[in-house]
Amino acid sequence: AQTVTQSQPEMSVQEAETVTLSCTYDTSESDYYLFWYKQPPSRQMILVIRQEAYKQQNATENRFSVNFQKAAKSFSLKISDSQLGDAAMYFCAYEETSGSRLTFGEGTQLTVNP
Amino acid sequence: EPEVTQTPSHQVTQMGQEVILRCVPISNHLYFYWYRQILGQKVEFLVSFYNNEISEKSEIFDDQFSVERPDGSNFTLKIRSTKLEDSAMYFCASRASVGLSAGETQYFGPGTRLLVL
Repeated sequence: AQTVTQSQPEMSVQEAETVTLSCTYDTSESDYYLFWYKQPPSRQMILVIRQEAYKQQNATENRFSVNFQKAAKSFSLKISDSQLGDAAMYFCAYEETSGSRLTFGEGTQLTVNP
Repeated sequence: EPEVTQTPSHQVTQMGQEVILRCVPISNHLYFYWYRQILGQKVEFLVSFYNNEISEKSEIFDDQFSVERPDGSNFTLKIRSTKLEDSAMYFCASRASVGLSAGETQYFGPGTRLLVL
């Protein structure tokens, strides 16, 4: 079974600084999808960014970017120019084939200090 | 922007009672999912649903659980006889289609907080 590991239960960053959240996964598949979801205190799950494994180019969405290392099975999220509204729990998620279940990591609680 | 909605936002029930959690997926979406998150834990997959049948389910989704799409808009999760350990946030998600195409992903509803006493 696929597993997703987030080794940082908590991270903190100063406002306007950059922070990187780590995620590793285990799979024997060559094609799959990876996601980062944000969960603020309201507990809503909000998609931050997605990456298709067949794409070599790292995905970017405004201040959010990923470092996808397929051989290392690593998928880290970089948040640039951190804002107070970025404070949330961040979950890394894996999808084996399009449409299948999402497997989530344990989450990283990000605190943004003013 | 279209969004997934869920009702109720909160539900408190007595152990052994039946509960039905409701979801309205995004209107042109074809694939539907239920996940749950016990407080302080990660999000866990329960079931996926396509073309009026279950396409995949986890070991959590036992005989106490069922899903239904009773009409063209609602997608429901029923727990027949609730247990204390069913207390969790339940998320519904939907997606338009599957395949190697940019923009396809699962969009989550705001969740229903279920508390079983």
